[in-house]
Amino acid sequence: GQNIDQPTEMTATEGAIVQINCTYQTSGFNGLFWYQQHAGEAPTFLSYNVLDGLEEKGRFSSFLSRSKGYSYLLLKELQMKDSASYLCAALDSNYQLIWGAGTKLIIKP
Amino acid sequence: SAVISQKPSRDICQRGTSLTIQCQVDSQVTMMFWYRQQPGQSLTLIATANQGSEATYESGFVIDKFPISRPNLTFSTLTVSNMSPEDSSIYLCSVTSGEDYNEQFFGPGTRLTVL
Repeated sequence: GQNIDQPTEMTATEGAIVQINCTYQTSGFNGLFWYQQHAGEAPTFLSYNVLDGLEEKGRFSSFLSRSKGYSYLLLKELQMKDSASYLCAALDSNYQLIWGAGTKLIIKP
Repeated sequence: SAVISQKPSRDICQRGTSLTIQCQVDSQVTMMFWYRQQPGQSLTLIATANQGSEATYESGFVIDKFPISRPNLTFSTLTVSNMSPEDSSIYLCSVTSGEDYNEQFFGPGTRLTVL
């Protein structure tokens, strides 16, 4: 079956760094997405990885290891506005997105 | 990037009625999707809206309950028929516009409450 696993909730301190992990099992693989979703709002695209390695975009970086079926989202210099759910989603061989349940990130002052 | 609008943004409906949600994109897109997100949960794909042919529904979703139209490459509608309180959810339109499906964007969502 197809499955995405990510932690349910994480807590971090303002100004610190946090890494949100995601493991996936899909029928074929065409890339891994990370989305940010604030409560009551639609998901916002953060990153897309299809090749192994680290993609950096400002305070956010995303890493992919295809051989391990593993990705992480790294958030640096955390700000209070980063409090949100972070959704991991894998694109399978039919170009369907398989969604994780999301990781709720709580930022404390 | 694609700019997506949805109407209505929210609605409160009576059991047994139907609601049609509209999704408008500011550019022609290849794929349009309809998702449902129930409180505290992740997204569930309802169907893929195909231009010029019937929508492709995921397991657990049927055309009689969620009829979909896609008359052109920029517009789609989802109807939630014969609603019950279990249909209370956020309904999201999503599009992919990248050639390699690596660009996927969401509309603002329609928050539906069924009494």
